[in-house]
Amino acid sequence: SQQGEEDPQALSIQEGENATMNCSYKTSINNLQWYRQNSGRGLVHLILIRSNEREKHSGRLRVTLDTSKKSSSLLITASRAADTASYFCATDASGGTSYGKLTFGQGTILTVHP
Amino acid sequence: DGGITQSPKYLFRKEGQNVTLSCEQNLNHDAMYWYRQDPGQGLRLIYYSQIVNDFQKGDIAEGYSVSREKKESFPLTVTSAQKNPTAFYLCASRIAPGELFFGEGSRLTVL
Repeated sequence: SQQGEEDPQALSIQEGENATMNCSYKTSINNLQWYRQNSGRGLVHLILIRSNEREKHSGRLRVTLDTSKKSSSLLITASRAADTASYFCATDASGGTSYGKLTFGQGTILTVHP
Repeated sequence: DGGITQSPKYLFRKEGQNVTLSCEQNLNHDAMYWYRQDPGQGLRLIYYSQIVNDFQKGDIAEGYSVSREKKESFPLTVTSAQKNPTAFYLCASRIAPGELFFGEGSRLTVL
């Protein structure tokens, strides 16, 4: 079963606008990670946020984590056409028999129009 | 350069055949992973290994097998028991609990 659920499934915006994607999960986590995938390629890591962190920034990316609601959001500010890709969240199980298991959500397809 | 190499990039299989996808990393990572991606879908975990000679089933292990005899290598065999094997297969590695490094994927098509 998928640990993470993302919404929206697809997002279409104009260049310069901000894009927000959300991820919800079900069980305890060690950390939550966001990845980007261009069509037909492997995934590329964007940012990792630990379970004891609430917000993290990296360039135009801002990630928040609310462990009480089991949810995270990824904000891309001042989007560019080159940001067009699929974005996935992944949750890193915190322990027990699932230690090391990294589970992905369904992803959000972002299209940025020039 | 350090990274993960998957081969072949494209593979065609006849029904009833087993095929093996190769995944090699020179990043000195302990943990390795295999995911399956169907069109327009997320990644589903097939198997993962955190150390040599040990591996765990993921969410969709049926019809697949793996081995981890060397730290650098984690091959995936898609057996004839896998009823719908056409998909994009992604291998990744990491030093847990950090980020995953992905290969470029192998696209398997059943004829």
